[in-house]
Amino acid sequence: SQQGEEDPQALSIQEGENATMNCSYKTSINNLQWYRQNSGRGLVHLILIRSNEREKHSGRLRVTLDTSKKSSSLLITASRAADTASYFCATDDTSAGTYKYIFGTGTRLKVLA
Amino acid sequence: SQTIHQWPATLVQPVGSPLSLECTVEGTSNPNLYWYRQAAGRGLQLLFYSVGIGQISSEVPQNLSASRPQDRQFILSSKKLLLSDSGFYLCAWSRTSGKDTQYFGPGTRLTVL
Repeated sequence: SQQGEEDPQALSIQEGENATMNCSYKTSINNLQWYRQNSGRGLVHLILIRSNEREKHSGRLRVTLDTSKKSSSLLITASRAADTASYFCATDDTSAGTYKYIFGTGTRLKVLA
Repeated sequence: SQTIHQWPATLVQPVGSPLSLECTVEGTSNPNLYWYRQAAGRGLQLLFYSVGIGQISSEVPQNLSASRPQDRQFILSSKKLLLSDSGFYLCAWSRTSGKDTQYFGPGTRLTVL
């Protein structure tokens, strides 16, 4: 089965620096999403990119998608201490009649003030 | 606007005891509903999903069961908890089309002793 796998598993940067996280998956997708999770909380949707899109922006977030390499990246520019969280990618299951997303194991981002 | 509730927020239960976690959604009709489990520092594992009342799809053979007695109510249960059932349980909903954003509840932290 397909699975999103984030890289790196953990990332520590200084406030103001950019943070880049990558996600790889194994099969065809309709779309890919990025979520954020603060410690002990639920996940919050950040951005969705469809398979026919190559890049998408939302505020300080930039997501790219390369379907030929089955990979996506999430860039957070000018990071802030409040960006400290775990970030997950999720890919949909293109099997007919299913409504499932497969989540990766996440990247733990720590932004130091 | 739509909101999703989960309770309880935390739960400590002895091995062999029963379990009932509840999830309700407000502000939408006929949502797809999902139960995930997250082990400490790990990604999300899809346990169950439902596309309608009484319709439950199980993803992983296990000690748990799910029910959807009403359109916007999703319940996760167990007759006898195991130590391995400990984890962070997340409920989520998405629109009927399924292949879109998932909105997560705040989660329930379950510790089985």
